Amino acid sequence: DAGVIQSPRHEVTEMGQEVTLRCKPISGHDYLFWYRQTMMRGLELLIYFNNNVPIDDSGMPEDRFSAKMPNASFSTLKIQPSEPRDSAVYFCASSLRGRRDTEAFFGQGTRLTVV
Amino acid sequence: RKEVEQDPGPFNVPEGATVAFNCTYSNSASQSFFWYRQDCRKEPKLLMSVYSSGNEDGRFTAQLNRASQYISLLIRDSKLSDSATYLCVVTGAYGGATNKLIFGTGTLLAVQP
Repeated sequence: DAGVIQSPRHEVTEMGQEVTLRCKPISGHDYLFWYRQTMMRGLELLIYFNNNVPIDDSGMPEDRFSAKMPNASFSTLKIQPSEPRDSAVYFCASSLRGRRDTEAFFGQGTRLTVV
Repeated sequence: RKEVEQDPGPFNVPEGATVAFNCTYSNSASQSFFWYRQDCRKEPKLLMSVYSSGNEDGRFTAQLNRASQYISLLIRDSKLSDSATYLCVVTGAYGGATNKLIFGTGTLLAVQP
């Protein structure tokens, strides 16, 4: 398996533009997570899905952020409009429920810069 | 208060040294515990799970104290390749959502030659 695949790897955009980040989880995994990482705040959980259904979006910073998972093999995180403070590395991760010590596998991340 | 708190670091140690990282968590009903490792500009990867009885994997030993809500990681005979950020991770007890991973901010380890 190729692991969790994220695209794009890098994104530079101007303030006010819409940004869409994409994620393909590992086949068969039923949990998908979106995280944001910054130097100041570390890894923050934004939202996670179970079987394509959003379970907890309490970490989504504000209405400018939205996430979807239309099927088991694809998810998007959208920021509209983007702001400079959204600059961060965004990670997608997937895991398989059923084991006590379930491991989450991360994608390589999308480094977002909003200027 | 953060749900998972770690030593601020950074830790600068010579090769061969023993180093210990500590972590505390706020939710007493948390169920699973892990240490992840993150190399510079890379994604986090699982280092080891942490069990109540304590567990060891080569030079790495993890301990869990549920009463004190405390987790530790001990690295013996540290190598240059151990240089990374070590992330304490806690899951569980969120309305049955046992897979919700909450990360600490991480502790940076720099092993010096």
